[in-house]
Amino acid sequence: AQSVAQPEDQVNVAEGNPLTVKCTYSVSGNPYLFWYVQYPNRGLQFLLKYITGDNLVKGSYGFEAEFNKSQTSFHLKKPSALVSDSALYFCAVRDIKDTNAGKSTFGDGTTLTVKP
Amino acid sequence: DVKVTQSSRYLVKRTGEKVFLECVQDMDHENMFWYRQDPGLGLRLIYFSYDVKMKEKGDIPEGYSVSREKKERFSLILESASTNQTSMYLCASSLDRGEYQPQHFGDGTRLSIL
Repeated sequence: AQSVAQPEDQVNVAEGNPLTVKCTYSVSGNPYLFWYVQYPNRGLQFLLKYITGDNLVKGSYGFEAEFNKSQTSFHLKKPSALVSDSALYFCAVRDIKDTNAGKSTFGDGTTLTVKP
Repeated sequence: DVKVTQSSRYLVKRTGEKVFLECVQDMDHENMFWYRQDPGLGLRLIYFSYDVKMKEKGDIPEGYSVSREKKERFSLILESASTNQTSMYLCASSLDRGEYQPQHFGDGTRLSIL
């Protein structure tokens, strides 16, 4: 079984400050990890993924995420937040051992609000 | 760019009606998914399909069925709509069974059952 937790429903930051959106996961094997963003009245858009290799993954719009195996975490980060980053963010996980058609488990989402 | 198109952005139906939600993708993806999204509950998988005519239940299949007669099209069917099926429905697709392939989402159908 696989699961993912986003412990914060809401994250508020000021424009220009660094931001972190937290994600922890649980899988029986090794994980594939993803971050997606959802803007109002739109579907989810893929931001970045961790498969293997370097623990720091860079993605779209200046976002990056750090994989930490010992803490089973995959936190999303950005050095300098923009007001336009305000959106709903989802973390997702797949267990490498799960052969079910690319099926991922999604977290409940974190609403990021960046204030000017 | 991958495009996943859901036939309706907004839909209003009555209790007991049979409701069809359609989804089409244009990138020859093998996998297709239907989710519902509710505030505070994140995304919950209803059904998915990894090939034509193949379907598997997700986490909340009760009250729903699906059809995949062509590779590009995946339909979600509410056999007898109920008010607790009022929700945002999202369709997604992904390439092959490649474990590292992200999903591509449509813009959603906001369904209201009166």
